[in-house]
Amino acid sequence: QKEVEQNSGPLSVPEGAIASLNCTYSDRGSQSFFWYRQYSGKSPELIMSIYSNGDKEDGRFTAQLNKASQYVSLLIRDSQPSDSATYLCAVNRISSASKIIFGSGTRLSIRP
Amino acid sequence: SAVISQKPSRDICQRGTSLTIQCQVDSQVTMMFWYRQQPGQSLTLIATANQGSEATYESGFVIDKFPISRPNLTFSTLTVSNMSPEDSSIYLCSVSTGDYEQYFGPGTRLTVT
Repeated sequence: QKEVEQNSGPLSVPEGAIASLNCTYSDRGSQSFFWYRQYSGKSPELIMSIYSNGDKEDGRFTAQLNKASQYVSLLIRDSQPSDSATYLCAVNRISSASKIIFGSGTRLSIRP
Repeated sequence: SAVISQKPSRDICQRGTSLTIQCQVDSQVTMMFWYRQQPGQSLTLIATANQGSEATYESGFVIDKFPISRPNLTFSTLTVSNMSPEDSSIYLCSVSTGDYEQYFGPGTRLTVT
């Protein structure tokens, strides 16, 4: 089992709709969870971090965390073509909290 | 968040040679990390660059192949030694300011021929 699992996609969503990206993790003791956006040819950009169960909203983005189910998700409302990118889920390591492990990423495509 | 720069942004190198990549941050940071991202893949942590002591390497990465320096709290280098085509990748440095969030530099695209 991979430590951080994501569906590789591509996930195709019509413009204006909600894009839902999912991630599961294996280490029950993980405490810090992150979503990065990576455009083709660019480095990853941190867009959301979440540390507590529940929802965290920032503009059009909402991160959701369920530690009991070891599940974290990212919702993008009113999807725009500029949201087309690969989204990486990352989780901190228990053995060394400062280190994070990345999932393989989900490629999101917003179609006009 | 910190502003991070890397040099060079890209390079094409011959096998058997070495390349040193620099990472500069505009403010002092607690933690600096080096990652590799191979084409179409996710990020793999190479090592944690420790200020004033040896870097901490992840499984599968060794100091002889990837020597790292961190002379102060704003600067680090990664050397890719005795390169082979399998080392062709994007190398990224990241920094953490203590709350476990990591911010990435623009990356160095390395091609080994």
